[in-house]
Amino acid sequence: QQPVQSPQAVILREGEDAVINCSSSKALYSVHWYRQKHGEAPVFLMILLKGGEQKGHEKISASFNEKKQQSSLYLTASQLSYSGTYFCGTVRPGNQFYFGTGTSLTVIP
Amino acid sequence: DGGITQSPKYLFRKEGQNVTLSCEQNLNHDAMYWYRQDPGQGLRLIYYSQIVNDFQKGDIAEGYSVSREKKESFPLTVTSAQKNPTAFYLCASSMKIAGGNEQFFGPGTRLTVL
Repeated sequence: QQPVQSPQAVILREGEDAVINCSSSKALYSVHWYRQKHGEAPVFLMILLKGGEQKGHEKISASFNEKKQQSSLYLTASQLSYSGTYFCGTVRPGNQFYFGTGTSLTVIP
Repeated sequence: DGGITQSPKYLFRKEGQNVTLSCEQNLNHDAMYWYRQDPGQGLRLIYYSQIVNDFQKGDIAEGYSVSREKKESFPLTVTSAQKNPTAFYLCASSMKIAGGNEQFFGPGTRLTVL
């Protein structure tokens, strides 16, 4: 039931791009993305809804393939502040909400 | 400022004791959630509440109990029946239940059972 994220960890140099993937085996109503820094609470990044609606930060981009139950988060021109663990959260019909296991992103100078 | 508060930040308890974690929000949100996070792992849902006086079990509700007597408050009790309670506990709220509404998280409570 928990969505699967890939990769589990990635290291980038400042300015490089990264893609984080989230996959579910069940039909989804929406996908959420959050970033958590060590010892802190997760912070909302984006929601992608069935039908194409998106809500979130302007500098973050993501996609949601409803048929494949997959979502991808695109991080471009990475900055040091992008470091953290990224979680996707999947919402199934009936409001069942599950977080993925996370992707650790480290940006180095 | 609107937000979610959790107290205390760190909590130590002896094995076999019940302990209650506080969660308060002043965002006027209907829905509230409790998650457990273990080192290097994702968030697992313990309980959630869509509205006052209503709550539902999440994936790992065994050994936990909640109440939702007021819109602003959603306390979590970790009972002695929880076999491995040491973890980081996060409370969250959203305008309505899940779906298209982002969740706002509190700073968390780190519980250590000795």
